Amino acid sequence: QSVLTQPPSVSGAPGQRVTISCTGSSSNIGAGYDVHWYQQLPGTAPKLLIYSSSRRPSGVPDRFSGSKSGTSASLAITGLQAEDEAEYFCQSHDNGLGGYVFGTGTTVTVL
Amino acid sequence: QVQLQQWGAGLLQPSETLSLTCAVYGESFTNYYWTWIRQPPGQGLAWIGQINYSGVTSYNPSLKSRVTISVDASKNQVSLVLKSVTAADTAVYYCARGFDYVGPWGQGTPVTVSS
Repeated sequence: QSVLTQPPSVSGAPGQRVTISCTGSSSNIGAGYDVHWYQQLPGTAPKLLIYSSSRRPSGVPDRFSGSKSGTSASLAITGLQAEDEAEYFCQSHDNGLGGYVFGTGTTVTVL
Repeated sequence: QVQLQQWGAGLLQPSETLSLTCAVYGESFTNYYWTWIRQPPGQGLAWIGQINYSGVTSYNPSLKSRVTISVDASKNQVSLVLKSVTAADTAVYYCARGFDYVGPWGQGTPVTVSS
């Protein structure tokens, strides 16, 4: 039951900047809940990439950045690299569903 | 550095009970919540529920009637039980550290429900 909508795919050439949107509603992102982002490389478990909308865990390159506004959030990857090819998921809390929810996921392809 | 190692039965028949365990190494078990998440084949992530060291739980309302998450603090382990499974429960199941955002994650346990 994904209530957070992401574009299915985005792509860019090496070195370019790409952004992934995460669109929610007044019961999740719009209610003030933080948004978190995860990177899932093929065949592996997801990894925390951004937490509390814009903070990076130790070890995550500063090429990754997050922001939130209104009922949406965004993840930006600058200086795109081949190793960034992965699935990316946003996550927040939803009042209506009474728990945590994830986005539909976005596949990033490096051309 | 914290590591989460999971195990459990990977093939079940419909109506059986799924049982998975997640062991936590290299971290104080009592400092955190521990969360279970699943990912059906080719699909996105779904939050199952979470627990802290003293047993306080919260569950996804859509699974609440069938799921139980428990802890054995003496062994630094968290367990997931899901009753009356169907094909819709086929997924990779992950344990992860955290309450709101989660990380790190276990390696994942593929579970297939099929007759």
